[in-house]
Amino acid sequence: GQNIDQPTEMTATEGAIVQINCTYQTSGFNGLFWYQQHAGEAPTFLSYNVLDGLEEKGRFSSFLSRSKGYSYLLLKELQMKDSASYLCAVKDSNYQLIWGAGTKLIIKP
Amino acid sequence: GAVVSQHPSRVICKSGTSVKIECRSLDFQATTMFWYRQFPKQSLMLMATSNEGSKATYEQGVEKDKFLINHASLTLSTLTVTSAHPEDSSFYICSASEDPGGSGEQYFGPGTRLTVT
Repeated sequence: GQNIDQPTEMTATEGAIVQINCTYQTSGFNGLFWYQQHAGEAPTFLSYNVLDGLEEKGRFSSFLSRSKGYSYLLLKELQMKDSASYLCAVKDSNYQLIWGAGTKLIIKP
Repeated sequence: GAVVSQHPSRVICKSGTSVKIECRSLDFQATTMFWYRQFPKQSLMLMATSNEGSKATYEQGVEKDKFLINHASLTLSTLTVTSAHPEDSSFYICSASEDPGGSGEQYFGPGTRLTVT
């Protein structure tokens, strides 16, 4: 079956750095997405990786290793507004998005 | 660009009634639209995929006669929850893609919170 694993919850301190990991097992691979979702709101797009390596976008970076079925989202200079759930999703061979359960990130002052 | 709207944002209905949720792409033509459901503290679950002008493809376990999807134009898709029950209470989210089959990026609507009493 298809499976996306990410930690359920993480806690970090304002101003620090946090890395959220995601491992996946899917039938085919057509890219990996990271989304941010605040409570009661729809997901918003953060990043997209289809080739191995690191994609940097401001305070957020996303890394992909296709051979290991692994990705991480790196958040730097954490701000209180970064408190949210972070969803990892993979497009399979049918271009269907397979979603992880999300990682709830709690930022403490 | 790439804005998707949903209406209503919140709806409360009585058990046994039907509710229609609209999903609109405001500044692009959405060849493919997706409907998701999300229960509290759970991830998004794809309910169905719809392409403009054709019947929706439903995921396993989703009743097509209960969740009616109409994708009549390139900018509008509707989801009708028929004979709603309290267990249908959930957060319903649509997303839209310009690419057939949804191969491109999906743009999400803000979601609709449905409460069935």
